[in-house]
This record gives sequence, C-alpha cells and structure tokens, in this order.
Amino acid sequence: AQSVTQLDSQVPVFEEAPVELRCNYSSSVSVYLFWYVQYPNQGLQLLLKYLSGSTLVKGINGFEAEFNKSQTSFHLRKPSVHISDTAEYFCAVKAETSYDKVIFGPGTSLSVIP
Amino acid sequence: NAGVTQTPKFRILKIGQSMTLQCTQDMNHNYMYWYRQDPGMGLKLIYYSVGAGITDKGEVPNGYNVSRSTTEDFPLRLELAAPSQTSVYFCASSPQGRNNEQFFGPGTRLTVL
Repeated sequence: AQSVTQLDSQVPVFEEAPVELRCNYSSSVSVYLFWYVQYPNQGLQLLLKYLSGSTLVKGINGFEAEFNKSQTSFHLRKPSVHISDTAEYFCAVKAETSYDKVIFGPGTSLSVIP
Repeated sequence: NAGVTQTPKFRILKIGQSMTLQCTQDMNHNYMYWYRQDPGMGLKLIYYSVGAGITDKGEVPNGYNVSRSTTEDFPLRLELAAPSQTSVYFCASSPQGRNNEQFFGPGTRLTVL
C-alpha cells in the first residue's frame, strides 16, 4: 500500500518570495506522483505529474517539482509566488501497477501575503 | 464541454434522511470516483467505477451506495444520514489508463444536523 505525507499543513509566504511545499511518500512498488491545487470553493486540478524520465517536472503557473527516489520525495517549488497562488495543494501517489486508486496527502495550505 | 458537474452545491440534511448526490461527466471517461474531503484529512475514496455496471469500494464506503448504469453518470446515495457524513464530496473522472490525471467536479457541501 502507498501513503503520502505532507510535512507542512500551512505555509505563509510573502508575495514574490520563493516557496517549497514538501511531500514524501512510501511505497513498495514504483509509483506515479502528482500535485493538485484546490482554489477556494473549487474542485482539484492537476498542477503537474511525474510518470518517468527526467526527475524535474514542470507544471502550470510556473510550478515545478523534483522526484527524488532515494529520499522518496516529490517537493513542489515556485521561485516567485503571486497572491493568486493562495490555495490548498495536494500531493498524490498512484502505484504503477494499479489501474485505479490514487492516494492523496492531507494537503498544504499556501497563503501568499501581500 | 462542461467536464464534471455535481448537484446540488449545498445541502442540509436531518439525521436519518436520505439523498442522492448527482455526478455527470461529458468526457467519455471510463473511470469515475467519489471522494469526501474533511479538514486536514485530504481526500478519502468512497467508491469508484471502472466502467458502466462495475463499481467497487474505496477506503470509506460505509453508509454510502453507488450505481453506474451509464458512462456519464455516477450517483452517490446516502441512505440514513449521520453527522459523521458532514463533509465536502467530490466526484472525479479519468480516462482509462494507469497514469492519467483525474478531473474533479466543483463539490457538494453536505451538512447533517
């Protein structure tokens, strides 16, 4: 079975500052990794995903994440945040052998301060 | 192309009442899911379906039922509402395939009093 840990439940950051949201996972098999974003009162939408290949993955809105297999991490980064990035961010994992279940982390609430 | 739509947006139920949360997708996706989201807990999978006529339990199925008679629709039924079912419910769909992203609806906020 897979599990996901997001180490920070809340991250406040000033506008135009860099941010890193941390995600660690555990799995006995190879996995696919995802970051989703949830804006207030909306459903989740995909930011980026790692399937294979380059460990640095670029997504929408200037976000990127790096897959580190040895540390079982998939941290999300943005070099300069905007007010509009205020949202809840979810890391998710799916076993490569599974056709169905995605396991979501508890989420990190990013608050961008003007 | 509306994507995934959910109705209602909000609902208040009394203990013991029943209701159906509706979910429809127009992307011809085979896979559909129901999640509940509680504060600080992330999303928990209630039920999922890999195609019309096929459903299976997720992590937290107790108190819920589903059906999948068409590719487009995946309703979630609460038979005897309990306060523990107060939550935000999300429906999602994805194309067939192991690495495909899920597309989420806007959610239904349910309160059971």
